[in-house]
Amino acid sequence: SYELVQPPSVSVAPGQTATITCSGDKLGTKYTCWYQQKPGQSPVLVIYQDTNRPSGIPERFSASNSGNTATLTISGTQAMDEADYFCQAWDSYIAVFGGGTTLTV
Amino acid sequence: QVQLVESGGRVVQPGGSVTLACVATGFAFSSYDFHWVRKGPGKGLEWVAFLRYDRSSEYYADSVKGRFTLSRDNSQSKVYLQMNGLTSEDTALYYCVAEYNRNDGLVYWGQGTLVSVSS
Repeated sequence: SYELVQPPSVSVAPGQTATITCSGDKLGTKYTCWYQQKPGQSPVLVIYQDTNRPSGIPERFSASNSGNTATLTISGTQAMDEADYFCQAWDSYIAVFGGGTTLTV
Repeated sequence: QVQLVESGGRVVQPGGSVTLACVATGFAFSSYDFHWVRKGPGKGLEWVAFLRYDRSSEYYADSVKGRFTLSRDNSQSKVYLQMNGLTSEDTALYYCVAEYNRNDGLVYWGQGTLVSVSS
């Protein structure tokens, strides 16, 4: 079965750039999405089709996907960005999630 | 306004059964595929099951295959997850998720309903 691997945790100082990676075999050939989940809340889609931001998601969220690695970048990280982040790709009809990364600001 | 509201979560004994329901409002229910995704205590998101909008395809995670069944009632805008043979590994918050185009990601999530398997 297909697997996505994320670092368990990432720390960043306020105002700095946070980078969260997601690795999978030939991940660059699949569309990757990213979800943000804060405690007690449902996941929120922050990136779809590798690089696109849904309406309402701040411009400081960006992403890329190439080779075996997708990357979520948060520029000028704010305290409100502290959350768990999950990458996700499709393996046929199955949604495969990474293990999640806790971002500490 | 899009809303997905799950219900049915409860404490159940090992080996028991429970049926979760998800009622959807605010969008064209019959055109959307549905998934259930769960988050166990201290765990990440785990995809559980998928049912196509026209019921033509359904898929299950290996961990639940043969025990869980996903169904839908387009006339009532409801999706159901029948869960049998529950074990402690099934303890989780279960989210109902609607998808229109997988390339656009999983946009609509419910608030989740908690299933706790315990004796």
